Amino acid sequence: DIQMTQSPSSLSASVGDRVTITCRASQDITTYLNWYQQKPGEAPNLLIYGASTLQSGVPSRFSGSGSGTDFTLTISSLQPEDFATYYCQQCLGFPRTFGQGTKVEFK
Amino acid sequence: QVRLQQSGPRLVKPSQTLSLTCAISGDSVSSDSAMWYWIRQSPSRGLECLGRTYYRSKWYNDYAVSVKGRIIINPDTSKNQFSLQLNSVTPEDTAVYYCARKVMPFGGLDFFDIWGQGTMLTVSS
Repeated sequence: DIQMTQSPSSLSASVGDRVTITCRASQDITTYLNWYQQKPGEAPNLLIYGASTLQSGVPSRFSGSGSGTDFTLTISSLQPEDFATYYCQQCLGFPRTFGQGTKVEFK
Repeated sequence: QVRLQQSGPRLVKPSQTLSLTCAISGDSVSSDSAMWYWIRQSPSRGLECLGRTYYRSKWYNDYAVSVKGRIIINPDTSKNQFSLQLNSVTPEDTAVYYCARKVMPFGGLDFFDIWGQGTMLTVSS
């Protein structure tokens, strides 16, 4: 299985902060990388696919970059509704695998 | 609008069988452009894809190694739904279980775009 490792596992930030989350794959996955946001009691929600393409309806403050094994999710200006847990997921190998999550908490 | 509605018990005894159903509205379980997954989430294992079913001129099923031999995912075209059966459960199978749709829009990319509401399942005597 392709292992996905996120860092940090949690971070504290304030409204308006720029937040960066990284994800590393155990092998080259080119740009077969998706990002999800999950709020407590809810299912994950797709934010970005193909490493950098914003899903319809997702605010432009979210962006993704990277290729190969190293990827980044950036929130340019954190909003109150962005406090959540974020997961990366590779879509190259079977089974599809997720990172362990990064929890964005209020400072 | 595509929706997935999960149903099934929330408590199962050790060694028994877990059974969940995911009813699809707004799409077809026989769609040739989607795959239908069961995914679970627990503090110890994170988000874990258990398996999938999909139709490409015939039905296919694939299962994760971690549950292979204990799992069956079945489509039901008459009710437009699919089900999860996990045998010989242990407390380690305690998790939130989700059904999800995976679509493949282009270029080999795919993603989970629609999820069920989740079922918190506890394995306990």
